[in-house]
Amino acid sequence: SQKIEQNSEALNIQEGKTATLTCNYTNYSPAYLQWYRQDPGRGPVFLLLIRENEKEKRKERLKVTFDTTLKQSLFHITASQPADSATYLCALAQTGANNLFFGTGTRLTVIP
Amino acid sequence: DSGVTQTPKHLITATGQRVTLRCSPRSGDLSVYWYQQSLDQGLQFLIQYYNGEERAKGNILERFSAQQFPDLHSELNLSSLELGDSALYFCASSVQVGGPNEKLFFGSGTQLSVL
Repeated sequence: SQKIEQNSEALNIQEGKTATLTCNYTNYSPAYLQWYRQDPGRGPVFLLLIRENEKEKRKERLKVTFDTTLKQSLFHITASQPADSATYLCALAQTGANNLFFGTGTRLTVIP
Repeated sequence: DSGVTQTPKHLITATGQRVTLRCSPRSGDLSVYWYQQSLDQGLQFLIQYYNGEERAKGNILERFSAQQFPDLHSELNLSSLELGDSALYFCASSVQVGGPNEKLFFGSGTQLSVL
């Protein structure tokens, strides 16, 4: 069966450290992968997109990698801040399809 | 503010009832998506419409139906409601039908509680 798994339900890190979140998928052939941030009671907000032929993408303190051999994406937040505390969702679109499928999310807490 | 409007924000109803959730996409967006989010299932794709036509279907129950109107707003109808239908229902929109550059803009959701 198809699965999108994010490494842990919750991750706590100290302010200033780098947070690394993992997204693993099985039985998908994604054309691209996206990362979203979701705050409590709000809808997800788009952060970054990476295509299957790209290894790495950066935006300010965010970095995403995509390894289609390992079937894995890593999402890094450097110099983390308490304001980065939220749930982070990975999402992927199957090649040839248009709709996104989401992982279960990782709740990140950055401790001051 | 994503520009996607969902109403109502909260809905409390009883088992067996029928409800309608409404979504207005961002100005200019032609695609509307519906997702269900519950604590144990995460964000589940239900259905997608593009310019009035159904484009993709996920794990949407037969008791649920949706449509997109000529003005591009969409409605999700949930009938014969069960306790397990209690969840947060999100609508999202995108400019086109979906593709490598498409990102989704989500509304704030409708919290449905079935008692």
